[in-house]
Amino acid sequence: DQQVKQNSPSLSVQEGRISILNCDYTNSMFDYFLWYKKYPAEGPTFLISISSIKDKNEDGRFTVFLNKSAKHLSLHIVPSQPGDSAVYFCAASGTGANSKLTFGKGITLSVRP
Amino acid sequence: KAGVTQTPRYLIKTRGQQVTLSCSPISGHRSVSWYQQTPGQGLQFLFEYFSETQRNKGNFPGRFSGRQFSNSRSEMNVSTLELGDSALYLCASSLVVGASGNTIYFGEGSWLTVV
Repeated sequence: DQQVKQNSPSLSVQEGRISILNCDYTNSMFDYFLWYKKYPAEGPTFLISISSIKDKNEDGRFTVFLNKSAKHLSLHIVPSQPGDSAVYFCAASGTGANSKLTFGKGITLSVRP
Repeated sequence: KAGVTQTPRYLIKTRGQQVTLSCSPISGHRSVSWYQQTPGQGLQFLFEYFSETQRNKGNFPGRFSGRQFSNSRSEMNVSTLELGDSALYLCASSLVVGASGNTIYFGEGSWLTVV
């Protein structure tokens, strides 16, 4: 049973436009949400995170939005650049027994020049 | 400082064999976690070790096991390999148990192909 769901396996956007990557979760015990970026032949690297006490966190071109009532978060990349082309994993964690990171299946973003 | 080092990077095994993968964490990091990445399931947590003790375990069969040594290096073993075990196995290190965000660092992974 996938507790973190990324239902779209891929997304293609034009350079300069906005990329919106979506993620849904089912475990209400999750209170910390993260996005990781992964290039081929490399390990995932941390991109941005958000605590459940916030609904938005921004870091440069990257913004993560959290809607707790809908158990939904999204990553916005504006403007998208070709170097953003990678696999993006949504992840979540809680405390105690839920402290381990639970990842989604990932979404492949392609940014067309 | 050196990052997380995983060996071997690529290997091919036959069904029924066993495999051992190694992970050297960043110097000073005492927690090591293992993940399996497959196209269909994404990144799935296998287990986490801290101070030579398993602290967390995912939902994998007993064929998957691990251990951690006193120098924090970790190994994971998969016995009686199945075709479905073909995956990228990622190791991550951190200072403490249950770390996340920018305090957890991943290695480049070991690509296992089972034929």
